[in-house]
Amino acid sequence: EVQLLQSGAEVKKPGESLKISCKGSGYTFTNYWIAWVRQKPGKGLEWMGIIYPGDPESRYSPSFEGQVTISVDKSINTAYLQWSRLKASDTAMYYCARHVSPDSGSLYWGQGTLITVSS
Amino acid sequence: QSALTQPASVSGSPGQSITISCTGTSSDVGGYNFVSWYQQHPGTAPKLLIYDVYNRPSRVSDRFSGSKSGNTASLTISGLQAEDEADYYCSSYTSNRTRVFGGGTKLAVL
Repeated sequence: EVQLLQSGAEVKKPGESLKISCKGSGYTFTNYWIAWVRQKPGKGLEWMGIIYPGDPESRYSPSFEGQVTISVDKSINTAYLQWSRLKASDTAMYYCARHVSPDSGSLYWGQGTLITVSS
Repeated sequence: QSALTQPASVSGSPGQSITISCTGTSSDVGGYNFVSWYQQHPGTAPKLLIYDVYNRPSRVSDRFSGSKSGNTASLTISGLQAEDEADYYCSSYTSNRTRVFGGGTKLAVL
């Protein structure tokens, strides 16, 4: 069974750094892309970026380029989303999702990680 | 790149059909047959309903169908049921080799 298991909720202060994770299981991790999607409270979905664990090649939405870093550790089938300096506006639910390719839909999603940034 | 344009809300009665539109540009919706549709109930992760404009994952009801004309894609839900009340999002591949979502549409089943 394909599963994407995300790390738990975090409460952080502005200016702090953070790295959240998404562990894939039940499939060959290096054969599928992993995307990250943001959803602010009460708002819509925003596509942030995607990475191919096999290369690894990463691509970012222009809105998120330079704001976050997407990475992977193939040895433990885990993708990451990280911030070097969080802002209050980063408060949101973050989902990871598996893609066959960047042009395809995402059949499998993680359960989401809630990030709260507040002083 | 800007978010794709969806109506903020649509409504229908049980048994009726509704259509949700998703308008982009020639750099996304109009340029590629890689439009997906998702359903999201409150507090849950999105669920894939349609991929590659028309195709439906095996576990998705055939009451959901997709189409595209020019820069506008559409999701049609036939035989509306109370459980269809949710938020719906379109997503398209783009010329930047990334993807973009629509702003989302809230469906009310009256």
